[in-house]
Amino acid sequence: GQNIDQPTEMTATEGAIVQINCTYQTSGFNGLFWYQQHAGEAPTFLSYNVLDGLEEKGRFSSFLSRSKGYSYLLLKELQMKDSASYLCAVRTDQTGANNLFFGTGTRLTVIP
Amino acid sequence: KAGVTQTPRYLIKTRGQQVTLSCSPISGHRSVSWYQQTPGQGLQFLFEYFSETQRNKGNFPGRFSGRQFSNSRSEMNVSTLELGDSALYLCASRSAGGSAYEQYFGPGTRLTVT
Repeated sequence: GQNIDQPTEMTATEGAIVQINCTYQTSGFNGLFWYQQHAGEAPTFLSYNVLDGLEEKGRFSSFLSRSKGYSYLLLKELQMKDSASYLCAVRTDQTGANNLFFGTGTRLTVIP
Repeated sequence: KAGVTQTPRYLIKTRGQQVTLSCSPISGHRSVSWYQQTPGQGLQFLFEYFSETQRNKGNFPGRFSGRQFSNSRSEMNVSTLELGDSALYLCASRSAGGSAYEQYFGPGTRLTVT
């Protein structure tokens, strides 16, 4: 089976940097995704990692270590609009190309 | 290009009834997946359809079913509704290319069972 752990809630200050961690245990691994979901809205894609290392995309970066079953999402220069839930999801060989196993998400609150 | 659309956006049903939700994927996308989102369980995969065939199914009872039409539009049906079926139902579409790992979510249908 699969298991994903993320902190339930985090709070950070506008302009700061925050790191949201995700650990996973899975049989078979074929990529890790991060999604952002504002309250009442659909999740939107942020990043995808399938190889070890850091992927940078503007203010957002995502890191993966497959040997440790660990990923993090780094948000720099936090803005109030970054207040949202951040969902970590893994894709495994068994679930198929479009079927992701999601963690319960980390609710980030950005304060002035 | 229009995004993923879902209808209806909100629905209230009573226990024992059945419900059908609809999803229209992004034009050209042939894969549609359905997810259930609840506060306690988060996002859980229901099933995926590709070219009118169910390709994968999550761990949900047989009361949950779906289908896909030749134009890639998809419907999911829940029979004999239970209170615990109250949730946000999201569909996501993806193009079928080899590097097309990103799926696009619709706004969801919020189902309330009373």
